[in-house]
Amino acid sequence: DTEVTQTPKHLVMGMTNKKSLKCEQHMGHRAMYWYKQKAKKPPELMFVYSYEKLSINESVPSRFSPECPNSSLLNLHLHALQPEDSALYLCASSQTGQGPTEAFFGQGTRLTVV
Amino acid sequence: AQKITQTQPGMFVQEKEAVTLDCTYDTSDQSYGLFWYKQPSSGEMIFLIYQGSYDEQNATEGRYSLNFQKARKSANLVISASQLGDSAMYFCAMRGAGGTSYGKLTFGQGTILTVHP
Repeated sequence: DTEVTQTPKHLVMGMTNKKSLKCEQHMGHRAMYWYKQKAKKPPELMFVYSYEKLSINESVPSRFSPECPNSSLLNLHLHALQPEDSALYLCASSQTGQGPTEAFFGQGTRLTVV
Repeated sequence: AQKITQTQPGMFVQEKEAVTLDCTYDTSDQSYGLFWYKQPSSGEMIFLIYQGSYDEQNATEGRYSLNFQKARKSANLVISASQLGDSAMYFCAMRGAGGTSYGKLTFGQGTILTVHP
């Protein structure tokens, strides 16, 4: 099973709403990532979790709150978002360490903030 | 700091022909990994091929091969026998080894490939 599953696929939320994006993998990967991608742009790293601990936060606004409840799950809690936060949010996972540790991506959640 | 440069915003190729997508990189890490991903309009990032900085042979995966020239810091993707389904955005990416770059996947700006019948 080389799959990263993200839910929901699409999400429309108002600026006062609270919502969560979910990501799940069963490949035994101990590194998980959140990326934000605007149209026709490369993904931008938001957060990295390594062994369920937050290891990298790329100066992301506090209205985005990540959570890694266990080694298979990664959540992104959203609160008081702005229209400019509308984007494709990609989750990825990989093995830790060196070697051919490619990152496997989910299909993403297309978020629209209205 | 790591940087990936893809200088071709768009490329066109005839079906069944080969195409090369350019990628140059810059890093101070001695050990690093280079990746190519394909992103169709559906949004999913599909892993294509990997090259480690210490690998002496160029990586190959089916119709994909990576032309790795370490001294020139380039990692070009070659797609042989292009198919219509190859039309997509292609990203070159790098993963660093130690310190603050560990675990970070840095992407280039991408190249949109269009395959004509």
